[in-house]
Order: sequence, then structure tokens, then C-alpha cells
Amino acid sequence: QVQLVESGGGVVQPGGSLRLSCVASGVILSNFGMHWVRQAPGKGLEWVAFIRYDGSEKYYQDSVRGRFTISRDNPTNTLYLQMNSLGTEDTALYYCVKDVGTATIYFDHWGQGAVVSVSS
Amino acid sequence: EIVLTQSPELQSVTPKERVIITCRASQNIDISIHWYQEKPGQSPRLLINYASQTFSGVPSRFTGSGFGTEFTLTIDSLEPEDAGKYYCQQSHRPPWTFGQGTKVEIK
Repeated sequence: QVQLVESGGGVVQPGGSLRLSCVASGVILSNFGMHWVRQAPGKGLEWVAFIRYDGSEKYYQDSVRGRFTISRDNPTNTLYLQMNSLGTEDTALYYCVKDVGTATIYFDHWGQGAVVSVSS
Repeated sequence: EIVLTQSPELQSVTPKERVIITCRASQNIDISIHWYQEKPGQSPRLLINYASQTFSGVPSRFTGSGFGTEFTLTIDSLEPEDAGKYYCQQSHRPPWTFGQGTKVEIK
């Protein structure tokens, strides 16, 4: 069965950086688009970033464009999110999410999430 | 940005009742709407894709309908395990957005 396991979350000061990783098992990630979706404490879901199956196209939420970078390493079945210039508004649970297809833009598998807390 | 507005924000219902959740889009999105269920302590789960297609493994009491700007998720004969938060999501145009969620609680 498909499993997505995030790591790399933690507590960081405003202006700091973190890199999230997501390792997939039970699926060949190179066949699918991948996303990051976040959920601030007590809030709803917010799509953050998308990368096509081959890494050729990337899309970002306006609030993170220029600060976050999504990337993937298909041979190791791993997805990444490099987060720079973090602000308190970025505090959230970050989910690694698998697209149903190469770019159908709906989501059939979610990881358990990585907690990112931005605080001084 | 396409804004999705769900109503109601909270629905308190007894088991076996029917639940109807509405999702309105700020512009025409054809059938590019998908529904998810989130239970406490769990990751979201896909229920319905493209407005009315029940996803694999989802019980038949969950159905979706709609086109354009207005969509509904219906839960027929609510079960206690259906308590949770429900979100709609559009895939029509980036940035892809979610509704604010509807909490379904069991009386």
C-alpha cells in the first residue's frame, strides 16, 4: 500500500529555513504529480506547491512563491520542500500529497504531516 | 483566485439522518470539484472526484452533484464514523483552493 512519510519539520525562528522531505513507498512516484498542502493550527487546508511527475513544471501558492521551492528525486522516490524566509504565518502541519495522476490536481494519498513552527 | 465557500460551517445531526453540504465557487469551474473527509488525528481522505464520481472504496452513502458554481455533497443515512470535517477543493485553475470546511458532528 502507498505510504508517504514526511520528515524535517521543527521549530525555527522567523527568517529561518527548513527543508521538508517526503519518502514514498508502495508507489513509483515518477508516474505522478506531487503536492504539498498545509494546515495551520485550527484552520483549514491550503494547497502550497505542485511539481509535475518529471519535475518540468512547478506551481506555488502566491504567499510562498519566491520563498519555497518544491523539488523531487524520482530515483529515490523522494519529494522535497525547501522553505526560506519563514514567517509566523507559515506555522502549520505540512502534508506531502500524491496526485491521482500526472497532473489531475486532486489527491488520493496523504502523509501524516510534518509540523513546522515559526516562533521567536 | 477561485474562492470556494461552504455552507453550513457546522452541522449537528443524529445517526441515520441525511446531511447535505454545499460548496459555491466564485466562478464557473465546470465539474472540477473534489470532496475530502478529515477525521480528528487523521489525514484527509478523498471521497468524491469531478463533482459526482465516488472514489474507490468510499461507501455508497456518499454522493456528489453539481456543475458550474454550485456543488453538493450528500451523506445518506449518516453513520457515527462519519463525524469529521469535510472540504471541497477545485482543480480548475491554480492556485488550487479548498473551501473553509464543514464540521459534521453527531448529536
